[in-house]
Amino acid sequence: DGGITQSPKYLFRKEGQNVTLSCEQNLNHDAMYWYRQDPGQGLRLIYYSQIVNDFQKGDIAEGYSVSREKKESFPLTVTSAQKNPTAFYLCASSETPAAYNEQFFGPGTRLTVL
Amino acid sequence: EDQVTQSPEALRLQEGESSSLNCSYTVSGLRGLFWYRQDPGKGPEFLFTLYSAGEEKEKERLKATLTKKESFLHITAPKPEDSATYLCAVQAPAGGTSYGKLTFGQGTILTVHP
Repeated sequence: DGGITQSPKYLFRKEGQNVTLSCEQNLNHDAMYWYRQDPGQGLRLIYYSQIVNDFQKGDIAEGYSVSREKKESFPLTVTSAQKNPTAFYLCASSETPAAYNEQFFGPGTRLTVL
Repeated sequence: EDQVTQSPEALRLQEGESSSLNCSYTVSGLRGLFWYRQDPGKGPEFLFTLYSAGEEKEKERLKATLTKKESFLHITAPKPEDSATYLCAVQAPAGGTSYGKLTFGQGTILTVHP
């Protein structure tokens, strides 16, 4: 079945540690996205990638980093510079980055800072 | 700046009691309006895309409509399994430095009691 997988489902981090969230898709989509979701707030865009080896900052990129070395993979690293990393992280993909393409989401990773 | 406001924040219905959710938006050139359903602890599930004022789409008990300023998600004779958070998002024009970014509302939490 085609879809988006994220791992791990739950992640605990100590202050000062970097952690990497995995996102893989087998939909052959060109574009991939990372969002952060906090209670009572809409999804906020962290980073997006329109094509392999290229990515752009979203609205809240500070304290995060990404890579796009393969079409199917778009890992997100939450660095120690992110001041409030506890949140639900969602990865999405779309066929192309252009308008008219709906984005499909993975199941999410819940990150908690201890 | 694109803005999306959803109302009400929460809605409690009895099974079979029809109602509507509202999504008001301000965007510089709407390319698409998207509705998603999100169950607790899971990623959003795509429901509908609407492109132009006057357009309507239906899926089971759900019907989405679009005007130039807002969209409605009508729920007819809801069942308990319709309980979820419903998210609305608008898409900006693609091209140049833009890429068709999605701006999300904060969601409406729907609870349907048996």
